[in-house]
Amino acid sequence: GAGVSQTPSNKVTEKGKYVELRCDPISGHTALYWYRQSLGQGPEFLIYFQGTGAADDSGLPNDRFFAVRPEGSVSTLKIQRTERGDSAMYLCASSLDLDTEAFFGQGTRLTVV
Amino acid sequence: AQTVTQSQPEMSVQEAETVTLSCTYDTSENNYYLFWYKQPPSRQMILVIRQEAYKQQNATENRFSVNFQKAAKSFSLKISDSQLGDTAMYFCAFMKNNDMRFGAGTRLTVKP
Repeated sequence: GAGVSQTPSNKVTEKGKYVELRCDPISGHTALYWYRQSLGQGPEFLIYFQGTGAADDSGLPNDRFFAVRPEGSVSTLKIQRTERGDSAMYLCASSLDLDTEAFFGQGTRLTVV
Repeated sequence: AQTVTQSQPEMSVQEAETVTLSCTYDTSENNYYLFWYKQPPSRQMILVIRQEAYKQQNATENRFSVNFQKAAKSFSLKISDSQLGDTAMYFCAFMKNNDMRFGAGTRLTVKP
């Protein structure tokens, strides 16, 4: 695609529910990143994939968070038993190759009520 | 993991003037990449400028330039002839082997 696409753009969910956030990277990009950004803060690293494998998932805050990228393209960030503290902007980015520019999507704003 | 520090939470500059945003980082690596990203209000993050650590020459992109001091682990961004459209959050980022970490950001306001 022309750019990184994230869906939905906004998600409101009730505390305790399960949510999935989707990221479509730029076609051909091997690296894919997930970040979480609270208002007025910098992006906080969650996980990144090189191809299908999670190269580094050390940023996932706890076992309620999980991400997959089964075919090395689209990725889904999954959050179980959501809590109000999970409310944030979730950013996805992709890059063509090792240590090249990362292109960001518009983000998904998650609100847990 | 590497850490990136931006010590200026907010800055302002008059239109047409020059402003410098600071960034320091901590790493034991010798080869890595540094970036400045811009995030306008309610809009997506876009790349402003990129610097490879193995290059001594400072990167320049039109009105944007960096002062890269490798020994000091410093990577500041200079914006010349500031424009109203430069108003945004600016994030410094460090990347090594696709592991990219960001600073907390500097909110820049350009005043008319």
